[in-house]
Amino acid sequence: DVVMTQSPLSLSVTLGQPASISCRSSQSLVYSDGGTYLNWFQQRPGQSPRRLIYGVSKRDSGVPDRFSGSGSGTDFTLKIISVEAEDVGIYYCMQGTHWPRTFGPGTKVDIK
Amino acid sequence: QVQLVQSGAEVKKPGASVKVSCKASGYTFSSYGITWVRQAPGQGLEWMGWISNNNGNTGYSQKFQGRVTMTTDTSTTTAYMELRSLRSDDTAVYYCVRDRYTGVSTPDYWGQGTLVTVSS
Repeated sequence: DVVMTQSPLSLSVTLGQPASISCRSSQSLVYSDGGTYLNWFQQRPGQSPRRLIYGVSKRDSGVPDRFSGSGSGTDFTLKIISVEAEDVGIYYCMQGTHWPRTFGPGTKVDIK
Repeated sequence: QVQLVQSGAEVKKPGASVKVSCKASGYTFSSYGITWVRQAPGQGLEWMGWISNNNGNTGYSQKFQGRVTMTTDTSTTTAYMELRSLRSDDTAVYYCVRDRYTGVSTPDYWGQGTLVTVSS
């Protein structure tokens, strides 16, 4: 199975400051069609997860542009350019290239 | 708008089975698949498997192979996940998520989750 690791596992951020979460996969996530199927999800307390980013860097409709995804191969990053109170929650990366699909352990973001 | 509405919470005894339903609306059901994900209390997300609503093809995590069956009813646009031989560590919130019907996985819309509690 492809192992997804995230760092840090916990992040305390001052409002208005940037945040960055790293996600690494044990194998390249490049698929045979040339695409890279790395997704990012946000789970706010008490809610279902919500997809923020798919295909490494494509932002979902309604996701604020302060969120961005980047990376390639086995190294990926989710960045929040200016953290707001509503960004508190746990962020998961998930690979959709290989079977079985696998999630990272999650990164908990709170406000300092 | 896309909606996935799941069945209500369940309490089961060890050794029993549970069947969770996921009613989809707001999109062409057969053009997508459904991924099932679970989350134990205070834990992260765990991928369980996937079913294509197009042709019924499935892919399961080895961890659940032999204990899980995912099905789909295109006439009612409902997906089902049955888990058998329940153990206490199957206590979790189970989510259905809309996904592609083939190939790679880009799950987007999530159901509200169904809490399954396994306790004697």
